[in-house]
Amino acid sequence: DQQVKQNSPSLSVQEGRISILNCDYTNSMFDYFLWYKKYPAEGPTFLISISSIKDKNEDGRFTVFLNKSAKHLSLHIVPSQPGDSAVYFCAAPYRTYKYIFGTGTRLKVLA
Amino acid sequence: DTGVSQDPRHKITKRGQNVTFRCDPISEHNRLYWYRQTLGQGPEFLTYFQNEAQLEKSRLLSDRFSAERPKGSFSTLEIQRTEQGDSAMYLCASSALRDTMYQETQYFGPGTRLLVL
Repeated sequence: DQQVKQNSPSLSVQEGRISILNCDYTNSMFDYFLWYKKYPAEGPTFLISISSIKDKNEDGRFTVFLNKSAKHLSLHIVPSQPGDSAVYFCAAPYRTYKYIFGTGTRLKVLA
Repeated sequence: DTGVSQDPRHKITKRGQNVTFRCDPISEHNRLYWYRQTLGQGPEFLTYFQNEAQLEKSRLLSDRFSAERPKGSFSTLEIQRTEQGDSAMYLCASSALRDTMYQETQYFGPGTRLLVL
């Protein structure tokens, strides 16, 4: 049972435009979410997080939106840069310490 | 500030051999985690230590897998009698124990890529 889902395996965006990566979850007990970025041959790198008491969290070019009623979150990257090309994973802690990850979305930013 | 390190970065072995991986967490991080990632999937939780105590093991961790963290610092993950299905990226992460999950973030190492022939 995939509790965290990323239904778009890949996304291509022109440099300077907005990238929107989506994530859906099924477990209503999840109340904290994280986004990680992963380059080839490297481990995931923490990007940004959001708790369920908020519906938006912003850090520079990265903004995460949470819609609890829809069990949906999204990561917006504005403006997108070629260095943002990577695989992005959303994750949710289960019982505090165990992260449940989505299957990832490969973002390609075209110069 | 050194991050999480893992050794080796790559391992090729023949089916039936034993392999051992090492993880050095960020200094003073109490919690250490092992995950496994296969192609097209996100990382999947394997096991978790708080200091030297192994507090949970996923059912993905069969009897051929064992993990230790003897002094609450580095950890090892051993796979005995490797099978081709064990081929994957093995990721280690660490975090500092905080009062709530909102204050904890897991930081990942570069991973060990295992190929079983």
